[in-house]
Amino acid sequence: DTAVSQTPKYLVTQMGNDKSIKCEQNLGHDTMYWYKQDSKKFLKIMFSYNNKELIINETVPNRFSPKSPDKAHLNLHINSLELGDSAVYFCASSRQGSVSNEQFFGPGTRLTVL
Amino acid sequence: DQQVKQNSPSLSVQEGRISILNCDYTNSMFDYFLWYKKYPAEGPTFLISISSIKDKNEDGRFTVFLNKSAKHLSLHIVPSQPGDSAVYFCAASDRNANAGKSTFGDGTTLTVKP
Repeated sequence: DTAVSQTPKYLVTQMGNDKSIKCEQNLGHDTMYWYKQDSKKFLKIMFSYNNKELIINETVPNRFSPKSPDKAHLNLHINSLELGDSAVYFCASSRQGSVSNEQFFGPGTRLTVL
Repeated sequence: DQQVKQNSPSLSVQEGRISILNCDYTNSMFDYFLWYKKYPAEGPTFLISISSIKDKNEDGRFTVFLNKSAKHLSLHIVPSQPGDSAVYFCAASDRNANAGKSTFGDGTTLTVKP
């Protein structure tokens, strides 16, 4: 049973479109994250939610809007897609109060904007 | 401003030998450090961590060493196995700030040759 799942795994779309990536975790964790891994392989945090509340919002264009309907889900909606949005997006979760803040990652969604 | 750096993008070792992956950080407030391992087309998975109050943590073939004065940590894998071939990310967090956000390095690709 997959702990952190993301859909879709691959997403190819045209510039200017709006798309969403869904993430679900069945670990009972309180905190969820979105990361972007660009072509340089650098993993950069975008957002973090704790119990459905936004707690981290890095310098991300406001075309990106996370939505957390409940603490098991954190979806990422992207408006007016641009070429530079092409990347692999990872969702992750962690348990609040964990000493190490070990995060559990989903398999990633490879977004290609044409 | 990259606070966590992995200066070696790649490392190749022979099976059975020791692999040493290095990581440097600049933020003296970081108090927990983690290593993640990532296979192609998968999300990163947690490997081992160390608190800033320790200088060594060992788990089977994996040992992490922390040198706080040098702001340097390393991951030792011995003996290395072909299945260890993956990208290794170092991550650091300041648990008293930034909601436990982890800052990742840009990864080192380890290749273990049979």
